[in-house]
Amino acid sequence: QKEVEQNSGPLSVPEGAIASLNCTYSDRGSQSFFWYRQYSGKSPELIMFIYSNGDKEDGRFTAQLNKASQYVSLLIRDSQPSDSATYLCAVNRGSQGNLIFGKGTKLSVKP
Amino acid sequence: EAGVAQSPRYKIIEKRQSVAFWCNPISGHATLYWYQQILGQGPKLLIQFQNNGVVDDSQLPKDRFSAERLKGVDSTLKIQPAKLEDSAVYLCASSVDDQPQHFGDGTRLSIL
Repeated sequence: QKEVEQNSGPLSVPEGAIASLNCTYSDRGSQSFFWYRQYSGKSPELIMFIYSNGDKEDGRFTAQLNKASQYVSLLIRDSQPSDSATYLCAVNRGSQGNLIFGKGTKLSVKP
Repeated sequence: EAGVAQSPRYKIIEKRQSVAFWCNPISGHATLYWYQQILGQGPKLLIQFQNNGVVDDSQLPKDRFSAERLKGVDSTLKIQPAKLEDSAVYLCASSVDDQPQHFGDGTRLSIL
């Protein structure tokens, strides 16, 4: 059974701090990795995607991928209260492009 | 660019009734996905279409769920008969080529 594991949280950080969200996956053949943000009652919104080992930065967000350790992370710098949401890690499932999602980590940024 | 459109936004039915959801993907997106998201869980794929063909329906409970995308554009997902455990948000997503998926606002289904 292919799985994606995330700590459900809640993860609480003060405003301005770095939030670190982690994800592990079981399928060594996975090639594509995504982070979605989901506000309560809303649909998932794509934040970052990464395909290669290493870091990928976009504004305050950095995605990190280590395929050898089957580990993906998302760093949010200068966290804002508006970043408070559930962050879903998703990994491609096979070659068709559909995704397996983790249960999500709830992030709370305190003013 | 218009996003993925879904309707209705909310639906309340009694168990054993039937229900249908509609999705119109982003223009030009050949691939369409239906996901089920139960409260506190991540989305789970039900079915994936490439144009009007089914790519993956391995997790679709085929005894009660059906989906179609007859003209390769919009799609309908049906549940008949509904069970209490079908209470969830049904999300439609679309993508083009190898680009990431984008989600619609979803339909929140409550079964009484």
